[in-house]
Amino acid sequence: SYELTQPPSVSVSPGQTARITCSGDALPKKYAYWYQQKSGQAPVLVIYDDSKRPSGIPERFSGSSSGTMATLTISGAQVEDEGDYYCYSTDSSGTDRVFGGGTKLTVL
Amino acid sequence: EVQLVESGGGLVQPGGSLRLSCAASGFTFSDHYMDWVRQAPGKGLEWVGRIRNKANNHTTQYAASVKGRFTISRDDSKNSLYLQMNSLKTEDTAVYYCARGVDTVPFDYWGQGILVTVSS
Repeated sequence: SYELTQPPSVSVSPGQTARITCSGDALPKKYAYWYQQKSGQAPVLVIYDDSKRPSGIPERFSGSSSGTMATLTISGAQVEDEGDYYCYSTDSSGTDRVFGGGTKLTVL
Repeated sequence: EVQLVESGGGLVQPGGSLRLSCAASGFTFSDHYMDWVRQAPGKGLEWVGRIRNKANNHTTQYAASVKGRFTISRDDSKNSLYLQMNSLKTEDTAVYYCARGVDTVPFDYWGQGILVTVSS
């Protein structure tokens, strides 16, 4: 079955840039999506189609993808950005739909 | 305002059945595909399955872990999504979310989630 790999944790100080990676063999052909989940809450879409930002998501959130790796970048991370971040994509056939294991972002 | 509200969760014994519902409002439900995603306690997100819109014949797709046990359906006249769960196992214990999809963008809106506990 298809897998997306994320680092378990990322830690930055407020105002620094946080980068969360997601690797998967099909990412050269398939879009990556990113979801933020704060403690006790439902996930929220923060990046779609590799690099597009939904309305209402702060400009400090950006996404990119190159080869087999997608990256979520939070420029000038703030304390309120703490939470778990999940990437999502599919295998090359589009049938195996998977989330990465999640990355816990700490901003302190 | 888009709203998705799950209901029907609770405690069920292994081997039992449960039906979850998701009531949608604030958008044209029939135009969208819908997914169920679950999250076991302290774990990550797991896609459960999808039902497409009427234009795509309401076709369904399931994760291997639930295929043959879970069934997704929808009633566009009631703006409602359902998840019928049979032959439940302890490893099905999770918070279950319904989520909306549009075009190439999956899970653009999520419900608040409902807890299902499978235990004797």
